[in-house]
Amino acid sequence: TQLLEQSPQFLSIQEGENLTVYCNSSSVFSSLQWYRQEPGEGPVLLVTVVTGGEVKKLKRLTFQFGDARKDSSLHITAAQPGDTGLYLCAGAGAGTYKYIFGTGTRLKVLA
Amino acid sequence: DTGVSQDPRHKITKRGQNVTFRCDPISEHNRLYWYRQTLGQGPEFLTYFQNEAQLEKSRLLSDRFSAERPKGSFSTLEIQRTEQGDSAMYLCASSSTSQGPDTQYFGPGTRLTVL
Repeated sequence: TQLLEQSPQFLSIQEGENLTVYCNSSSVFSSLQWYRQEPGEGPVLLVTVVTGGEVKKLKRLTFQFGDARKDSSLHITAAQPGDTGLYLCAGAGAGTYKYIFGTGTRLKVLA
Repeated sequence: DTGVSQDPRHKITKRGQNVTFRCDPISEHNRLYWYRQTLGQGPEFLTYFQNEAQLEKSRLLSDRFSAERPKGSFSTLEIQRTEQGDSAMYLCASSSTSQGPDTQYFGPGTRLTVL
């Protein structure tokens, strides 16, 4: 069974600090997606990474896909209160569209 | 493009009743997914369609759950004889096979409360 474990589960930081969220698995994924979800809403896609070792940047967010395509990280530089939310990673194995979601990291950025 | 829409946004029902949710995907998206999300957890895959064909189903989808996508456009998810454990947010997502790596766009969800 494929599992995606995220760490940390909860993170509370001050505005301006940097942080990294990790998404780990023992399984290989053909692609991996990161989402942010606000309370009572559906997840909103941030990025999709496909190639092992790939790095993508979205303003202050940097996403990396592990070389073996089993893990990923999300780094936020100079966090702002607007970054507050639930961050989710999700992936599917080759030949399937049965997406597995991570356990989530709940981030709170204090002004 | 108005995005994925779901109806209703909230549903309160009594145990034992049947409920049906609707999802309208982004137009021309040929894949449609259903997920269930409980408080504090990530979404759990229930099923997905490519056009009108239901290609994968999770073991979470018991015989009380059924999903359809009759014309390859909107989809419905029905839960029969609801139980309190069915209380959750039901999320729908859609994607297109013609847009590079599979990228899912989610709707706002239907929150079900079973009393």
